[in-house]
Amino acid sequence: DGGITQSPKYLFRKEGQNVTLSCEQNLNHDAMYWYRQDPGQGLRLIYYSQIVNDFQKGDIAEGYSVSREKKESFPLTVTSAQKNPTAFYLCASSIADRHGYTFGSGTRLTVV
Amino acid sequence: DAKTTQPTSMDCAEGRAANLPCNHSTISGNEYVYWYRQIHSQGPQYIIHGLKNNETNEMASLIITEDRKSSTLILPHATLRDTAVYYCIVRGRGAGGTSYGKLTFGQGTILTVHP
Repeated sequence: DGGITQSPKYLFRKEGQNVTLSCEQNLNHDAMYWYRQDPGQGLRLIYYSQIVNDFQKGDIAEGYSVSREKKESFPLTVTSAQKNPTAFYLCASSIADRHGYTFGSGTRLTVV
Repeated sequence: DAKTTQPTSMDCAEGRAANLPCNHSTISGNEYVYWYRQIHSQGPQYIIHGLKNNETNEMASLIITEDRKSSTLILPHATLRDTAVYYCIVRGRGAGGTSYGKLTFGQGTILTVHP
C-alpha cells in the first residue's frame, strides 16, 4: 500500500546534538512538507519542497535544515541552533492535481 | 491566505449529526475551504474541501454559505471514533495554479462524541 512513513516514532536526544528525522513516501507525490506541533497547538510549517533539489522556508525554519535529493525522501535535521526542539514533528506530501495532503504518523522528539 | 475562526470545543451525542462551524469572512474568490481532523497523537487526516458549492463524500458534507464567508462541516452520524480536533483551513492555489499552496493550521475545534 502507498503511504508516507516517518521514523522513528519516538526520539530522544541530548541538548546540543543535531538529529535527523526521516520521511519517506511511495505515493509519487511531488510536494513534501514538514510541520511542527506543540502541545495543545495547531501545526506550524517548517519547510516545504515542491520538486527535487528545491525547497522553501516555512514560518518557523530557524534551527532546522532539509534536503530533497530524491522525490521519495525529505529528511529534516533539527540542529543545536533550535532553541526549543522538543515537539511532535509531522511530515506530509501532496500531488498537484489533488487537494488533499497525506500525513505521516509523526515523530515525537524529546531533547533532554 | 484567509484566516479562519472556529469554536474551541463542541460536544455531540453518538449517532447524532455533528455540525462544526467555521468563519472565514476575508476569503477571496480563488481560495478553497479545507477540513482536516487529527486524532490524538496521529497525523491529520484530510476530510473534504470545497470552493463555493456544497460537497459530500463518504466521510462528511461541507456546506458553504452563498457569500462564502462561513462554512459548516457535517458528520451525519457521529461515532466515538470521530472524537478529534477538526481544522478548517482556507487556502488559495499555489504557484502556477497548482494545489501546492501551503496549509496553515489554526487551533481547530475539539469535538467530543459521547455515548
